[in-house]
Amino acid sequence: KAGVTQTPRYLIKTRGQQVTLSCSPISGHRSVSWYQQTPGQGLQFLFEYFSETQRNKGNFPGRFSGRQFSNSRSEMNVSTLELGDSALYLCASRLGEMYEQYFGPGTRLTVT
Amino acid sequence: QKEVEQNSGPLSVPEGAIASLNCTYSDRVSQSFFWYRQYSGKSPELIMSIYSNGDKEDGRFTAQLNKASQYVSLLIRDSQPSDSATYLCAVNIGGNYKLTFGKGTLLTVNP
Repeated sequence: KAGVTQTPRYLIKTRGQQVTLSCSPISGHRSVSWYQQTPGQGLQFLFEYFSETQRNKGNFPGRFSGRQFSNSRSEMNVSTLELGDSALYLCASRLGEMYEQYFGPGTRLTVT
Repeated sequence: QKEVEQNSGPLSVPEGAIASLNCTYSDRVSQSFFWYRQYSGKSPELIMSIYSNGDKEDGRFTAQLNKASQYVSLLIRDSQPSDSATYLCAVNIGGNYKLTFGKGTLLTVNP
């Protein structure tokens, strides 16, 4: 079974721009969570979607948003990029009510 | 107090030794605990999950959970150089599906 896929893998953007990242979960998984990983803060939870509904949200500003489609694929959007948004953005999928989450390869975002 | 704390390391062990990684958490209602391995430049890989007090073994890995002490650990027996990675402890704080991670412990296994 194919794992979680994320596109693009690498991205360079300029401060003030916006960016959209995409995640396709493992087949059959309906939950998608997004995390940000930086050297200073480690892995931090952004939000979780289940059946197209946001169920949990982390402590990030409103510039960070997401959505989930009927096929469980999810997108994350960051508007008005700041230098501090440079990070590895990870998507994880989960099967139903199981707790185990499986991560995709991540999107490395660099903001210049 | 941080929600999930790990020994910052780095931890260095010789090949064949037992590596012991520790994690404490603050929320007494947490029910689900995970260990992820992350190689440099890669994404986290789930290696163990544990939900009940006691030990859970999977190959060379043993996870230990003590809810009364709010403590979870990971033992790696017969450590191999390929085990060299950062090990992340993750907890479902508050009983929802959000994972809260520790900062990770860098393990180096020396041949």
